[in-house]
Amino acid sequence: DAKTTQPTSMDCAEGRAANLPCNHSTISGNEYVYWYRQIHSQGPQYIIHGLKNNETNEMASLIITEDRKSSTLILPHATLRDTAVYYCIVRVANNAGNMLTFGGGTRLMVKP
Amino acid sequence: NAGVTQTPKFQVLKTGQSMTLQCAQDMNHNSMYWYRQDPGMGLRLIYYSASEGTTDKGEVPNGYNVSRLNKREFSLRLESAAPSQTSVYFCASSVGQGGGQPQHFGDGTRLSIL
Repeated sequence: DAKTTQPTSMDCAEGRAANLPCNHSTISGNEYVYWYRQIHSQGPQYIIHGLKNNETNEMASLIITEDRKSSTLILPHATLRDTAVYYCIVRVANNAGNMLTFGGGTRLMVKP
Repeated sequence: NAGVTQTPKFQVLKTGQSMTLQCAQDMNHNSMYWYRQDPGMGLRLIYYSASEGTTDKGEVPNGYNVSRLNKREFSLRLESAAPSQTSVYFCASSVGQGGGQPQHFGDGTRLSIL
């Protein structure tokens, strides 16, 4: 699976949009971009994923650049409960074992 | 909306004791997984079950066994616990094995082995 690079930490004001970047310059054509988050003491929570097109769900939006070498997760109106570590993961379409490889992630702190 | 349920949430064992971690999902998913998470190591796959009746080794299977009891339940057994197995254990499930099928996680079992 391709390696990802994320900022170690970010701050965001409550109510503002949080934009979390991820670089995956070695991504292959059959690899998906996934975002998970982990709130302290809880299991990883699936947020969103995409292959080529931008995606939106009730939690967030995923913007993937045309060359697919980077992406941005957008939380449109961050709340204090969005404080967590956010992981960007790329995964092949047919990964034997379907293992998710979590890197260091971005620690997002939402402040009042 | 239970999703993936793990029991117990916490457990303390002595070296050499055995125990089984339980996992159940109510999403009618075909595939299930067991991971462990150690500080600074990220998640590592222990075993997975692509579908009912099948199990396969992941990245770190030594010292563990699994049973896919039925479509809903996937258990992880430590036959003779060792301090190196102190960790947080997460169970996950997904519709299938395809790359576009996300895994959904339980809240974990925190296991300490003395």
